[in-house]
Amino acid sequence: NAGVTQTPKFQVLKTGQSMTLQCAQDMNHEYMSWYRQDPGMGLRLIHYSVGAGITDQGEVPNGYNVSRSTTEDFPLRLLSAAPSQTSVYFCASSYLTPPGQRAGNEQFFGPGTRLTVL
Amino acid sequence: KQEVTQIPAALSVPEGENLVLNCSFTDSAIYNLQWFRQDPGKGLTSLLLIQSSQREQTSGRLNASLDKSSGRSTLYIAASQPGDSATYLCAVDSGTYKYIFGTGTRLKVLA
Repeated sequence: NAGVTQTPKFQVLKTGQSMTLQCAQDMNHEYMSWYRQDPGMGLRLIHYSVGAGITDQGEVPNGYNVSRSTTEDFPLRLLSAAPSQTSVYFCASSYLTPPGQRAGNEQFFGPGTRLTVL
Repeated sequence: KQEVTQIPAALSVPEGENLVLNCSFTDSAIYNLQWFRQDPGKGLTSLLLIQSSQREQTSGRLNASLDKSSGRSTLYIAASQPGDSATYLCAVDSGTYKYIFGTGTRLKVLA
């Protein structure tokens, strides 16, 4: 298994440009998510998905769009990049345990995409 | 709102020392807590996952404990080695599918 893969590894954009960060997993995980990591801020959840066709907002969703058309892929779109979106972006996935069962599953992370917006 | 705190932010210890990393959370109604390791410029590697019904988990030289009532988890590293140098992060799942991370403890083990 390749696990969680992310492309590209590095990207430089100009303010106002758009781009899509790709994330794929081959573990048949229902749950996928996107985080951004900034110095001193830790990881913050941008968007997440609990299955194909189902997405929801995390802590910092503004400026980002997502869709989930397949179980394997969960792309993150920046429609009009801003310098404030300069960050390292991580994708993660896990199996999904219904909250009512009061159990949880291990998250697996991709290697990250380092994005700079000028 | 769940908040997760890791203190200290940085720690240096001599090789061979046993050490404890701390993770505190404000809402005790959690489903699980996960400890990660992150090397510079790399992604996160899962170390241990403790579910809400468990008190501790062990993997090799690592032992993680969970005390929900006091809102605390600790990661114990036995006989530390220079290869253990990394940033250690904890994350809490409160059952809303929104994981909350601490800001991490940067560990340096001196040879």
